Amino acid sequence: AQSVTQPDIHITVSEGASLELRCNYSYGATPYLFWYVQSPGQGLQLLLKYFSGDTLVQGIKGFEAEFKRSQSSFNLRKPSVHWSDAAEYFCAVGARVANFGNEKLTFGTGTRLTIIP
Amino acid sequence: NAGVTQTPKFQVLKTGQSMTLQCAQDMNHEYMSWYRQDPGMGLRLIHYSVGAGITDQGEVPNGYNVSRSTTEDFPLRLLSAAPSQTSVYFCASNGQGSWNTEAFFGQGTRLTVV
Repeated sequence: AQSVTQPDIHITVSEGASLELRCNYSYGATPYLFWYVQSPGQGLQLLLKYFSGDTLVQGIKGFEAEFKRSQSSFNLRKPSVHWSDAAEYFCAVGARVANFGNEKLTFGTGTRLTIIP
Repeated sequence: NAGVTQTPKFQVLKTGQSMTLQCAQDMNHEYMSWYRQDPGMGLRLIHYSVGAGITDQGEVPNGYNVSRSTTEDFPLRLLSAAPSQTSVYFCASNGQGSWNTEAFFGQGTRLTVV
């Protein structure tokens, strides 16, 4: 069975500083990997996804993530954070549902990001 | 385009009561799913459906039932609520061949069982 580990429960970053959120996954096949963001009281919004090809993927809001197969990692980065980036971030791995073109998503436990002025 | 709509947004139940959480999507998506979100545990899959008439269990299905009579609707039923079911519930949908699509989430239902 697939699993996702987000080792950092809470990260605090100064506005304008760079950010890296860690994600490690376990999956027996080529993974489908996702990063979602959840603002307080809201549902989840997709930031970016990796299926194949270029291991550095660009997402919305200036985020990017790099897939490293050798490290089973899919870390999320942003060169300069803004106060509006304060939210909870979830990494997820998708497992293909047999005979259907969809994935069951397994989420990590999330990383809460706090931005200080 | 409303996307994924969940009702109600908040609910308080007494132990043993039953209720149905509603989820509707207007994007003609085949795949729908229910998750619960608990502090420190991320989102866990309860049940999912790959199309009308087809459902299957996820990671934490006990105490919940689902059905999928139409493409649009995927209700989640709690037959006899327990305090352990206090959580925030999210419904999501995405299209067939979702390698090239994304999951759209509802705003959530915050359920408290007392």
